[in-house]
Amino acid sequence: ETGVTQTPRHLVMGMTNKKSLKCEQHLGHNAMYWYKQSAKKPLELMFVYNFKEQTENNSVPSRFSPECPNSSHLFLHLHTLQPEDSALYLCASSQGSGTGEGGYTFGSGTRLTVV
Amino acid sequence: GESVGLHLPTLSVQEGDNSIINCAYSNSASDYFIWYKQESGKGPQFIIDIRSNMDKRQGQRVTVLLNKTVKHLSLQIAATQPGDSAVYFCAERAQGGSEKLVFGKGTKLTVNP
Repeated sequence: ETGVTQTPRHLVMGMTNKKSLKCEQHLGHNAMYWYKQSAKKPLELMFVYNFKEQTENNSVPSRFSPECPNSSHLFLHLHTLQPEDSALYLCASSQGSGTGEGGYTFGSGTRLTVV
Repeated sequence: GESVGLHLPTLSVQEGDNSIINCAYSNSASDYFIWYKQESGKGPQFIIDIRSNMDKRQGQRVTVLLNKTVKHLSLQIAATQPGDSAVYFCAERAQGGSEKLVFGKGTKLTVNP
């Protein structure tokens, strides 16, 4: 257990479904991130939140909608996804102080399959 | 394009040998580098980090070397064990107070018994 918990671990959804991914951290961090990990590609940054405010949206399609109600929780709402959106979605957190010592702490990810 | 890359996508070693995983980066303004290990079914896990004012840092069985002249980072694993089999990523942070990390593609290390 890294201190960052993601649920569900696996998700299969149809292209017309709406689902949400959840991330929770108990590390007292102030920054949270969503990354997409596809086979044979580098980790792709999707969204960054600092102190609950979104500070970066890396040109992510609107079918992905993040929500950060507080510094400990991060959601990724999914709707009308495409098969190419199938991937491992990783949540991470960091101190948010700008020093970044220790980098990110990652959760185990949600393996998403869009059918 | 990505600014952090790895020289080899896969590396296979015998148990007990030393492993060296390499990474090239292109942003000379990066001031902090991290190696992560990702085992199957898990998220990336921090292994070791190094600041740009250092050229070497050692941990338990792992050493990171930084050569700023040629913008090269390497991870050395001593006496590689089957539990070291995983994908290894390097990541860099650009100078300036942001915590944003840029990741490379990863090298898959396989340890043969």
